[in-house]
Amino acid sequence: DQQVKQNSPSLSVQEGRISILNCDYTNSMFDYFLWYKKYPAEGPTFLISISSIKDKNEDGRFTVFLNKSAKHLSLHIVPSQPGDSAVYFCAASEGNYGQNFVFGPGTRLSVLP
Amino acid sequence: GAVVSQHPSRVICKSGTSVKIECRSLDFQATTMFWYRQFPKQSLMLMATSNEGSKATYEQGVEKDKFLINHASLTLSTLTVTSAHPEDSSFYICSAKPIGLAGVDQETQYFGPGTRLLVL
Repeated sequence: DQQVKQNSPSLSVQEGRISILNCDYTNSMFDYFLWYKKYPAEGPTFLISISSIKDKNEDGRFTVFLNKSAKHLSLHIVPSQPGDSAVYFCAASEGNYGQNFVFGPGTRLSVLP
Repeated sequence: GAVVSQHPSRVICKSGTSVKIECRSLDFQATTMFWYRQFPKQSLMLMATSNEGSKATYEQGVEKDKFLINHASLTLSTLTVTSAHPEDSSFYICSAKPIGLAGVDQETQYFGPGTRLLVL
């Protein structure tokens, strides 16, 4: 079964509002998490990461929250912009040594003007 | 459900040899599979789109004679790195777009666990 799940295949948000993308994982050994952003016909591009020693990491409009007890993380985009429209993948790994990441299936975000 | 496997998970080979990597969708079918290569800073570069029953579509700068892709069935795509060189050492990851699965988006992709290639 999938170890990393993104249960919302798609999400639509009004421009200027908050976008919240969710990700759940089952493997308690995962301790490093990443969010990727993907435009059509391109590969996923690294966006933001978080280590399990933290519960929050912020980078401009993007904030990732980690709830280890619930095995849940979320990506918040505030304020959302039309250029944020893309597919967002959550990924997890044991350690952050640049090796085997387990990806979720993605959530397609549409930011409406 | 919706699991993609890759084999092998890691391989070490000598320079000049060829290496085949398999990508399988275990419990769904996929007419389209993608092959990516991971680069520093963890982003994935799309190498090619594998289409079942037809030729793969390669991205600009990817040598199709070096990276041979075969998508022989709705559950299997293979990437063969021919005459591998040390600069081909990388993490290769595939993904599959499901067909016939309820509740998925048109952009949903299920990723394999990746294959780490080291060419000596």
